[in-house]
Amino acid sequence: EAQVTQNPRYLITVTGKKLTVTCSQNMNHEYMSWYRQDPGLGLRQIYYSMNVEVTDKGDVPEGYKVSRKEKRNFPLILESPSPNQTSLYFCASSLFPGNTEAFFGQGTRLTVV
Amino acid sequence: RKEVEQDPGPFNVPEGATVAFNCTYSNSASQSFFWYRQDCRKEPKLLMSVYSSGNEDGRFTAQLNRASQYISLLIRDSKLSDSATYLCVAPPTGFQKLVFGTGTRLLVSP
Repeated sequence: EAQVTQNPRYLITVTGKKLTVTCSQNMNHEYMSWYRQDPGLGLRQIYYSMNVEVTDKGDVPEGYKVSRKEKRNFPLILESPSPNQTSLYFCASSLFPGNTEAFFGQGTRLTVV
Repeated sequence: RKEVEQDPGPFNVPEGATVAFNCTYSNSASQSFFWYRQDCRKEPKLLMSVYSSGNEDGRFTAQLNRASQYISLLIRDSKLSDSATYLCVAPPTGFQKLVFGTGTRLLVSP
């Protein structure tokens, strides 16, 4: 089954404690991205990756890091989480960046206290 | 002006009603358009693509108006299960991302 898998689904953490949200896809897609979704603001892109070892900033990259060492995996790293990073996060993958269907992971609800 | 704008709603309609949403986009270079459906706190899923000639899939019809830079989604014979948020997507050519609207919420009641 074609899918994008995110973990964890829910996470409560404290300010400053480094965390990683994993994302893996089994569709051999080259393009992957991370979004955060906040009420009234919609989905905003954090980072994206065109291929292995190729990553770039999206609209709201501050406070986040990513890596793309393997085609299937695209983890999101919060080195020092802050309360304003409390949000619903989605990983997505697609064959091409702008004109094909994007497949989303089930989301990670992060709360930073 | 936002790149993609949608009326947030909610649109409250009875079962069986016909409802339409519009979405305006600012970048005239946009080539591909999509409607995604998102159930509460779940991941967005592709509902349908929007072609220049329009697109129909069962009870759903999507139209593109390039002159006025908007796309529309028409849902006929609404079902309770259509209750969701509908996200408009209009990525500009050459940009490495999908640009999502904030979504229009639809509530279908018995």
